[in-house]
Amino acid sequence: QLVLTQSPSASASLGASVNLTCTLSSGHSSYAIAWHQQQPEKGPRYLMKVNSDGSHSKGDGIPDRFSGSSSGAERYLTISSIQSEDEADYYCQTWGTGIQGIFGGGTKLTVL
Amino acid sequence: EVQLVESGGGLVQPGGSLRLSCAASGFTVSGSYMTWVRQAPGKGLEWVSLIFSGGSTYYADSVKGRFTISRDISKNTLYLQMNGLRAEDTAVYYCARGNGWPEIDYWGQGTLVTVSS
Repeated sequence: QLVLTQSPSASASLGASVNLTCTLSSGHSSYAIAWHQQQPEKGPRYLMKVNSDGSHSKGDGIPDRFSGSSSGAERYLTISSIQSEDEADYYCQTWGTGIQGIFGGGTKLTVL
Repeated sequence: EVQLVESGGGLVQPGGSLRLSCAASGFTVSGSYMTWVRQAPGKGLEWVSLIFSGGSTYYADSVKGRFTISRDISKNTLYLQMNGLRAEDTAVYYCARGNGWPEIDYWGQGTLVTVSS
């Protein structure tokens, strides 16, 4: 069964960079995933798709300081030059067999 | 500009029913796959249901047999009929558009459903 695993929390200083990780369960390392951002008290916002080869494609209006990459079963979201508005929950998402939507548990990013 | 606007949430007693609507603009609901995702208070995102452009529908095990996803192409609107509601269905419900696989690329602002006596 496909599971997406994320660390519950991360922190980074203003202006620094941070890597958030989404790990695909065994046997699913070829899957692409999508990253979504949810700022406090707001609905989610699509950031980007990250493929198994590390290529990524971003959603409309997503700043250049957001990027994606891959290594094996891990999919990364890198945020550079962190700003205060980047403090949010970040979720990875994909689809399992039998068409079942799968979300990671989310990572809460705190900006110091 | 793509927009999704949900409505229909509210307070309902256990065992009751509600129908959520999601009015779409900037694209046609029949040209994309559409999905409902919910978020219980203080919790993460949970997928609920999906309808493909061809009309095939899929459900999470937790709602199968109780919820029905549908769309009205003439109104460019997505629906979620929720029957047999339980306390654990209390959540903000978001509709969203899929425009590739796996990415859901646009989300609505959500509508709150509270199931309580």
